[in-house]
Amino acid sequence: EVQVVESGGGLVQPGGSLRLSCAASEFTFSDHYMVWVRQAPGKGLEWVARTRNKANSYITEYAASVKGRFTISRDDSRKSLYLQMNDLKTEDTAIYFCARDLYGRAIFDYWGQGTLVTVSS
Amino acid sequence: DIQMTQSPSSLSAFVGDRVTITCRASQSISSDLNWYQQKPGKAPKLLIYAASTLQSGVASRFSGSRSGTDFTLTISSLQPEDFGTYYCQQSYSIPLTFGGGTKVEIK
Repeated sequence: EVQVVESGGGLVQPGGSLRLSCAASEFTFSDHYMVWVRQAPGKGLEWVARTRNKANSYITEYAASVKGRFTISRDDSRKSLYLQMNDLKTEDTAIYFCARDLYGRAIFDYWGQGTLVTVSS
Repeated sequence: DIQMTQSPSSLSAFVGDRVTITCRASQSISSDLNWYQQKPGKAPKLLIYAASTLQSGVASRFSGSRSGTDFTLTISSLQPEDFGTYYCQQSYSIPLTFGGGTKVEIK
């Protein structure tokens, strides 16, 4: 069964850093684009970042709200996706979901359970 | 950025009712529109992609359609397990954007 499992969330002070991880299994990770999507408490879904696959030069794309502060990366040998978050702000508080992109068409067909990031002093 | 406007923001219906949720894009997105269901405390689940293609394993009572920049998710006969919040998402251009959600409650 296809699975993606996030980890690395926690409590961090404003201006701090955190690195999220997402472990994938039971599918050919290297073939797929992957994304991070977040959800602030009680709010809707917000796309954060996407990484393309090797065949598409690992191109990365970001939401304006995180560009320059967050970095998405992947390690195909470890079947893992990462999100390095720097200069965190209180408005970054959210559950962060990792998801697989179906066919590279920005269709998110498998999601993890999410990891909570709380930015607070 | 493409804005996605969902309506209604919430609804309450009886088991067996036909339920319709609408999503309007601020500009043309072809048929690059996806629908997700999210239950409390859970991850979103893909229901429909490319406006009208049913994701594998999703019940056939769910369907999607398009008319220009207006998209509709229809539940033909609401079931108790269909409670939750439904989101549309455009996959036409970066930044990818979601609608604000429609919360569905069972009467």
